[in-house]
Amino acid sequence: QKEVEQNSGPLSVPEGAIASLNCTYSDRGSQSFFWYRQYSGKSPELIMSIYSNGDKEDGRFTAQLNKASQYVSLLIRDSQPSDSATYLCAVNPSGNTGKLIFGQGTTLQVKP
Amino acid sequence: EAQVTQNPRYLITVTGKKLTVTCSQNMNHEYMSWYRQDPGLGLRQIYYSMNVEVTDKGDVPEGYKVSRKEKRNFPLILESPSPNQTSLYFCASSRQVQETQYFGPGTRLLVL
Repeated sequence: QKEVEQNSGPLSVPEGAIASLNCTYSDRGSQSFFWYRQYSGKSPELIMSIYSNGDKEDGRFTAQLNKASQYVSLLIRDSQPSDSATYLCAVNPSGNTGKLIFGQGTTLQVKP
Repeated sequence: EAQVTQNPRYLITVTGKKLTVTCSQNMNHEYMSWYRQDPGLGLRQIYYSMNVEVTDKGDVPEGYKVSRKEKRNFPLILESPSPNQTSLYFCASSRQVQETQYFGPGTRLLVL
């Protein structure tokens, strides 16, 4: 079992719809969770970080964390073509470690 | 401008010829890390450094060396490159591992 798993997609949604991206992780003691966006040929950039159970909203983006079920999700409301990118889930596992484990990423396509 | 720089951006080399990819950040960050990105495998952590003179292995350290003699620099050394190290390499830094990581522009390496 991979430590951080994402569906590679592509996930295709029409413009204006809600895009839902999911990520599961295996280390139950993981503390910190991140969503990065990566445009083709570019570096990853942080969209959201979340550390406690529940929802965290920032503009059109909402991160949801459920530690009991070991999943973290990212919702993008009112999706725009400019949101088309690969979304990477990253997890800092338990223990005082500097490790950061990424999922393989989900490609999102927003169609006009 | 706050940034992470990497050099070179593109490199073609031959098997066995030692090379160094430099990484430098101007944000006074404690934490730095190296990743490689391969199609279908996502970002995989090679080495990380929690502070000066403190380095540790990530998930794929074989064939790589690093050093952290000063806070701003974190070079990646390939003593004897092999074709399976052909990849896109990213350096990243943050105040702490639990905080936003800022990525460099990437170094595309081809080992013949």
